[in-house]
Amino acid sequence: EPEVTQTPSHQVTQMGQEVILRCVPISNHLYFYWYRQILGQKVEFLVSFYNNEISEKSEIFDDQFSVERPDGSNFTLKIRSTKLEDSAMYFCASSVQTVYGYTFGSGTRLTVV
Amino acid sequence: AQSVAQPEDQVNVAEGNPLTVKCTYSVSGNPYLFWYVQYPNRGLQFLLKYITGDNLVKGSYGFEAEFNKSQTSFHLKKPSALVSDSALYFCAVRAVSGAGSYQLTFGKGTKLSVIP
Repeated sequence: EPEVTQTPSHQVTQMGQEVILRCVPISNHLYFYWYRQILGQKVEFLVSFYNNEISEKSEIFDDQFSVERPDGSNFTLKIRSTKLEDSAMYFCASSVQTVYGYTFGSGTRLTVV
Repeated sequence: AQSVAQPEDQVNVAEGNPLTVKCTYSVSGNPYLFWYVQYPNRGLQFLLKYITGDNLVKGSYGFEAEFNKSQTSFHLKKPSALVSDSALYFCAVRAVSGAGSYQLTFGKGTKLSVIP
């Protein structure tokens, strides 16, 4: 069964550093998403991406965040200057169309120290 | 704004008994509704969805959910629980169109514990 692949599985970074989280969506999917889950809390929407542009973003997705699809396979989330409160599990997801269920990756646990 | 309520933080059920995990939602217009399951240190696994059609939706691992428009509910059910069903369950909603139609809004999750 096709999977969404995320790397790394765990990343530790110092406050103020830039991090890039990487995702390889399912190859025939057209819609891409980032979500995050702070430990013990609900899963929160960050951003959706379609046709090489952001289609929707949440209040969480401020100027510190950016997304990119640098080639035909990767989808990245960049946090420019990490803060302690950015520590969370970040999930990438993709869907062939918005009406279908999303396939989530297994997540990247980001720890900011 | 769309929202999901999962009123129970935890549900305990004996193995072999039926289980229900409750979910109610709020969205402008018609909803798309989803259930996901999360095992420890794992990602979110899709269980089932309601898009249109029959109100009773069948999904993976013997789970089903019933869409009730008048009660704005989408409760997850299984006739006979297994110990391996123990996990964290998330209900999610998305608007069919308009603002919020690209994003899933999740409930806070319900921890299901199936007791042998």
